[in-house]
Amino acid sequence: GNSVTQMEGPVTLSEEAFLTINCTYTATGYPSLFWYVQYPGEGLQLLLKATKADDKGSNKGFEATYRKETTSFHLEKGSVQVSDSAVYFCALSKTGNQFYFGTGTSLTVIP
Amino acid sequence: NAGVMQNPRHLVRRRGQEARLRCSPMKGHSHVYWYRQLPEEGLKFMVYLQKENIIDESGMPKERFSAEFPKEGPSILRIQQVVRGDSAAYFCASSGTTGSDTQYFGPGTRLTVL
Repeated sequence: GNSVTQMEGPVTLSEEAFLTINCTYTATGYPSLFWYVQYPGEGLQLLLKATKADDKGSNKGFEATYRKETTSFHLEKGSVQVSDSAVYFCALSKTGNQFYFGTGTSLTVIP
Repeated sequence: NAGVMQNPRHLVRRRGQEARLRCSPMKGHSHVYWYRQLPEEGLKFMVYLQKENIIDESGMPKERFSAEFPKEGPSILRIQQVVRGDSAAYFCASSGTTGSDTQYFGPGTRLTVL
């Protein structure tokens, strides 16, 4: 079946620290991979995506590379800001109609 | 340009009552998806609807849960005879085309069953 395993949180970092949130997936075939972000009191927003192996998604300083050999899609950012505090969800989709989400990783960035 | 709207944001019900959750998709979107997030878990797909049609309900519990997306008005997720285990956050998403890999999410409805 299809599933996503995500690094457990919560994660607390100082401003300007390096961020990695691990995500691995299980899927048949070639899914598309996503990172969504949820700010307090809001819905999920698409942060970045990759649709095939070796693709790199990037947005707002965040990056993730689709690694088929390790079935991973780790999220990274070189220098986090307080405004990056949120919950981050890794997800996959085979058809675009049904998404499979990880459990979410809460990130708190302190000044 | 309004995003996906859900109401109510918070809903409290006693065991045995009915819960009705509403979702208005983004303007121009005709595809609606419902997800449930139980405490400490990720979002789980429940159902995918287009106007007046249920396309995929493979994630819906077989009993007490139903969903509709009428020609006019919002999509409704209905839970009859709620139990404590139904307490969760319910998220709605919409997209403009089938198979689109960008779903736009609403802020969710947090259901608490006493």
